[in-house]
Amino acid sequence: NAGVTQTPKFQVLKTGQSMTLQCAQDMNHNSMYWYRQDPGMGLRLIYYSASEGTTDKGEVPNGYNVSRLNKREFSLRLESAAPSQTSVYFCASSEGQGSETQYFGPGTRLLVL
Amino acid sequence: GENVGLHLPTLSVQEGDNSIINCAYSNSASDYFIWYKQESGKGPQFIIDIRSNMDKRQGQRVTVLLNKTVKHLSLQIAATQPGDSAVYFCAEPYEGAGTALIFGKGTTLSVSS
Repeated sequence: NAGVTQTPKFQVLKTGQSMTLQCAQDMNHNSMYWYRQDPGMGLRLIYYSASEGTTDKGEVPNGYNVSRLNKREFSLRLESAAPSQTSVYFCASSEGQGSETQYFGPGTRLLVL
Repeated sequence: GENVGLHLPTLSVQEGDNSIINCAYSNSASDYFIWYKQESGKGPQFIIDIRSNMDKRQGQRVTVLLNKTVKHLSLQIAATQPGDSAVYFCAEPYEGAGTALIFGKGTTLSVSS
């Protein structure tokens, strides 16, 4: 089992460009999450998907959209990147339904110039 | 907002010492708490969790203590090893967001030989 995988590992964008961060899990988990981590900070929730077919905003959703493509995949899209979105992005998954342990991917490092 | 915080951003110990990492939380309604370890360049990794109806839980070389009276959580690492060097986060449920989590800012543990 690969667990949670994320692509790309690293990306440089210019202000105004768009991109999609991909996340997939092979643990048959119901719930998936996107967090961002800024230097010296904990992780902040961007969006989450409690189950296939549902998505909800987290603490910092502005400037992002998500798609729960199927049970395995949950993508994060930046429509018009801004320097404030320079961060490390982590995807996570959990069984949901009362099981709270989240398993994290290795992260995507995004630099917006 | 930040529901979960840590008392000290850094902690330096000698190999073999016991380490204690502290966390204060503000949401008295949280029914569980989780500790994560994050090594440089990697995603957070689950260490141990504790439910609110417990005041102590032990794992392998780690113990988590919960004091609901003062809303305080601690992670104790016995016989700290260089491989324990990492950033440690406590996390609690993100209210109204299923099994999503809200993280503290983290404590960086440095272990010297």
